[in-house]
Amino acid sequence: DTGVSQDPRHKITKRGQNVTFRCDPISEHNRLYWYRQTLGQGPEFLTYFQNEAQLEKSRLLSDRFSAERPKGSFSTLEIQRTEQGDSAMYLCASSLGGDRYGYTFGSGTRLTVV
Amino acid sequence: GDSVTQMEGPVTLSEEAFLTINCTYTATGYPSLFWYVQYPGEGLQLLLKATKADDKGSNKGFEATYRKETTSFHLEKGSVQVSDSAVYFCALSFILQGAQKLVFGQGTRLTINP
Repeated sequence: DTGVSQDPRHKITKRGQNVTFRCDPISEHNRLYWYRQTLGQGPEFLTYFQNEAQLEKSRLLSDRFSAERPKGSFSTLEIQRTEQGDSAMYLCASSLGGDRYGYTFGSGTRLTVV
Repeated sequence: GDSVTQMEGPVTLSEEAFLTINCTYTATGYPSLFWYVQYPGEGLQLLLKATKADDKGSNKGFEATYRKETTSFHLEKGSVQVSDSAVYFCALSFILQGAQKLVFGQGTRLTINP
């Protein structure tokens, strides 16, 4: 297993376009998280899956954002009608569960909205 | 709510110097505490963790002790190397409504000069 994979690594899109990112977690990890990191800041929680169930969404996740994890394996994060303020690094992480375990992060997808 | 405050950066040191990066937290319960490191263009890597008071996390020469009385988790290293140059994030983990979340500090950029 090679860790958490995210695709693409970089995405440049025009304002108003839709984008979709993919995350493949470590295979035995049942918990999957999405975080957003803007320049010079720490990551902020967006949403969380336990298996295929989306258990919580941050208020940062507006109606333009949607995340899925259809079979409890990979996850997608879609942003509709992108805005310049959506430009950030989108990080995916997975864990076995229990807050005593560290989370394993992917390398992230850097989104630039022009 | 729960929060993490980190020493402001950037921090610049010479090789073999002693490093301390301060981190304090505010939490209603007893969170687990983590240090993550982020190298340029990469996602976050878990550096070390501590899950209860007085625990000491250590890895790659870095250490941090969970101090409940001072609500701190300062990162230390006795002799830094150029390869330690990165951004360091302190974080706590807590459970809310069944979701396990990480709350990060703003990060401290460390530069080590040869």
